[in-house]
Amino acid sequence: GAGVSQTPSNKVTEKGKYVELRCDPISGHTALYWYRQSLGQGPEFLIYFQGTGAADDSGLPNDRFFAVRPEGSVSTLKIQRTERGDSAVYLCASSLRSTGLSGANVLTFGAGSRLTVL
Amino acid sequence: AQKITQTQPGMFVQEKEAVTLDCTYDTSDQSYGLFWYKQPSSGEMIFLIYQGSYDEQNATEGRYSLNFQKARKSANLVISASQLGDSAMYFCAMSLDSNYQLIWGAGTKLIIKP
Repeated sequence: GAGVSQTPSNKVTEKGKYVELRCDPISGHTALYWYRQSLGQGPEFLIYFQGTGAADDSGLPNDRFFAVRPEGSVSTLKIQRTERGDSAVYLCASSLRSTGLSGANVLTFGAGSRLTVL
Repeated sequence: AQKITQTQPGMFVQEKEAVTLDCTYDTSDQSYGLFWYKQPSSGEMIFLIYQGSYDEQNATEGRYSLNFQKARKSANLVISASQLGDSAMYFCAMSLDSNYQLIWGAGTKLIIKP
């Protein structure tokens, strides 16, 4: 597609429920990233995919968080047993190449999925 | 440790004036890149401008320019002739050589007054 698409744009759930957030990156972009942004802060890195594999998942806060990208395009971030502290905006981004971020290889972001855990 | 510092939590600027948003960075790497992103209330991060550590000229993109002072480790964003649509959060970020990660500052909220 023309840009990075994220669904849902808003998700309200109850504590303890399971949530899936979807990201559809720009067609042809090799790399895909998930970030989490809390109110008034910069994005916090969660996980990075090169193709289908998670090259770096060191930012996932705990084992309740998991992400997949089975065909190297669309990715799903999965959160089990949600907690109130998981409330944030989850941003997805993609880049043309997997390494060497630069002016010619920038991260292009989606509009985010706002998750609220009651 | 690598770090980005944006010391201005918020700024008010009169429409049509120029505005400078501060960004300082800390890294011991020789090769790095500096990015500025704009985040309007809609939430989407929009890429504005990039400066590589070896670039000798300051980057410019339309009304945006980057005042890169390598010795002082600063990469301030200058917006000329500000417009009401420039009201947004602005984030400075850094990438390290051949890396895929961005290190982000806390952002500056810019409000343009009519």
